[in-house]
Amino acid sequence: SQTIHQWPATLVQPVGSPLSLECTVEGTSNPNLYWYRQAAGRGLQLLFYSVGIGQISSEVPQNLSASRPQDRQFILSSKKLLLSDSGFYLCAFTEAFFGQGTRLTVV
Amino acid sequence: GQQLNQSPQSMFIQEGEDVSMNCTSSSIFNTWLWYKQDPGEGPVLLIALYKAGELTSNGRLTAQFGITRKDSFLNISASIPSDVGIYFCAGGPYNTDKLIFGTGTRLQVFP
Repeated sequence: SQTIHQWPATLVQPVGSPLSLECTVEGTSNPNLYWYRQAAGRGLQLLFYSVGIGQISSEVPQNLSASRPQDRQFILSSKKLLLSDSGFYLCAFTEAFFGQGTRLTVV
Repeated sequence: GQQLNQSPQSMFIQEGEDVSMNCTSSSIFNTWLWYKQDPGEGPVLLIALYKAGELTSNGRLTAQFGITRKDSFLNISASIPSDVGIYFCAGGPYNTDKLIFGTGTRLQVFP
């Protein structure tokens, strides 16, 4: 069966520190993978999507980057976090499967 | 860019009542999807619609893909306390694998 794993569930990071969020999927190959950010009480904003290894499309200009080093692995990163990077980050593959999310608080 | 208007923003209803929410778009979509999100978790897909006019049910939930391809609604019949959460619509434009999400409808159900 298809599953998606995202970690960590919560993260508190100081301003200026780096970030790495990881997402892996199982039970499928060559999936389309997505990173979304959700502000409190708001809808989901697409940040990045990937149709294959090394293929990343960025949807909005921002302080974040994404990488896909393996077929079923999608990583969201930042070299230096900003306060405005706080939010709830969700990884997804296809339209049906979302990870549990990472609550990031930048302090 | 494309936007989805989802309404109402919030609903406070009594257990047993029916619920209706909808989404409208400024442009045509190829797919319409409805999700439910519980606090601190990722959205869960409830219903997916792929054809204009399509009416699909999932238990007490019913959703329709509008004929104009610019709108969709979700109905919940005989609401129960576990229906509490935020419901999101999402539309899939033509020739893309990306989704555009509505701003959500927060549903509260009182016993």
